[in-house]
Amino acid sequence: GEDVEQSLFLSVREGDSSVINCTYTDSSSTYLYWYKQEPGAGLQLLTYIFSNMDMKQDQRLTVLLNKKDKHLSLRIADTQTGDSAIYFCAESITPSKAAGNKLTFGGGTRVLVKP
Amino acid sequence: NAGVTQTPKFRVLKTGQSMTLLCAQDMNHEYMYWYRQDPGMGLRLIHYSVGEGTTAKGEVPDGYNVSRLKKQNFLLGLESAAPSQTSVYFCASSKGEEYEQYFGPGTRLTVT
Repeated sequence: GEDVEQSLFLSVREGDSSVINCTYTDSSSTYLYWYKQEPGAGLQLLTYIFSNMDMKQDQRLTVLLNKKDKHLSLRIADTQTGDSAIYFCAESITPSKAAGNKLTFGGGTRVLVKP
Repeated sequence: NAGVTQTPKFRVLKTGQSMTLLCAQDMNHEYMYWYRQDPGMGLRLIHYSVGEGTTAKGEVPDGYNVSRLKKQNFLLGLESAAPSQTSVYFCASSKGEEYEQYFGPGTRLTVT
């Protein structure tokens, strides 16, 4: 079955790099996502990676995927106070027209950025 | 362009009462989803729709019903609310099955 796990909490100083980790169990994942949730708001897609990629960089964000270990990480460079939020990783197996794109989410990592 | 909106934002129900949550999107998206979020857990899919007039069950559909009579609206119904349905409910929509899901701001529901 599908299971996605994340650590609960991360504290980081402003200007440092943050690394948020995620493990998943389903080896047939097609896409892996990182979402950000700010207090009282819905989820916002930050970035995603195809399962046939090892790394993806998007400005301050770097996603690393280790398929052998089923491990996904999100690195945020030069972390700012505005990066304080809950970060969710999610996987999807095979999106299809008939079944849409069913996402399985981890429990979320609360990131606190200290000045 | 409001994106995805949800009504109401907050609601308190007594056990056994019924209610309908409304999700509306103005992006002409085909796909719509209902999730619930419980403390310490990720979002779990309740029901979804791949187009107007269609609905399908997700991971945790029991106790909920949905309808998608109009493309822009996706309704989530609770016929007889239970305390276990206390949660934050999120709606999402996407243009296609491989496109980004856009989330609404959520509805916080408490069942006493």
